Amino acid sequence: KNEVEQSPQNLTAQEGEFITINCSYSVGISALHWLQQHPGGGIVSLFMLSSGKKKHGRLIATINIQEKHSSLHITASHPRDSAVYICAVSFGNEKLTFGTGTRLTIIP
Amino acid sequence: GAGVSQTPSNKVTEKGKYVELRCDPISGHTALYWYRQSLGQGPEFLIYFQGTGAADDSGLPNDRFFAVRPEGSVSTLKIQRTERGDSAVYLCASSLTSAGYYGYTFGSGTRLTVV
Repeated sequence: KNEVEQSPQNLTAQEGEFITINCSYSVGISALHWLQQHPGGGIVSLFMLSSGKKKHGRLIATINIQEKHSSLHITASHPRDSAVYICAVSFGNEKLTFGTGTRLTIIP
Repeated sequence: GAGVSQTPSNKVTEKGKYVELRCDPISGHTALYWYRQSLGQGPEFLIYFQGTGAADDSGLPNDRFFAVRPEGSVSTLKIQRTERGDSAVYLCASSLTSAGYYGYTFGSGTRLTVV
């Protein structure tokens, strides 16, 4: 069974700060997903990674397969980035195993 | 459709009643997943369909839970004799055949409250 751990569980930062959220998993995967969930809202897929690094706007996701670790970075953070960020892993087309999420709050 | 649609968005039911939750995936997505998210927790897997068949139902908590996808598109999650512990947000996601390449699209969920 793959265990997925995220840190920190909660993160509060000032607008403009550089944000890092970490994810570790226990066994080999085919892909790692970063997802965003706003209060009362659905889940939005941000990135799917199997190696290296991806960038979309102010969001950057990296993965180190050997260390079984991924990070999600947000540059120039903004209050609208406030949400729960969830790391999840998959193997082929099977189910996702989710972390418990990181609640991010950006203060203006 | 353009996205994954789940209905109803909210459902309040009395303990012991039967409920059905519906998921309408993106057209052409053959894989469909049901997850359950309790307050403050990450989603937990319930069942996965590839086409019409349940490829993996290992996450269904007990025999009160059942899901179908008779024509390989819309899926219905059925819960019998609901209990207060069933209260959660039920999420549906769909993907093309190989989610490892194409990722997942999630619905907005159905918030089930059992009183």
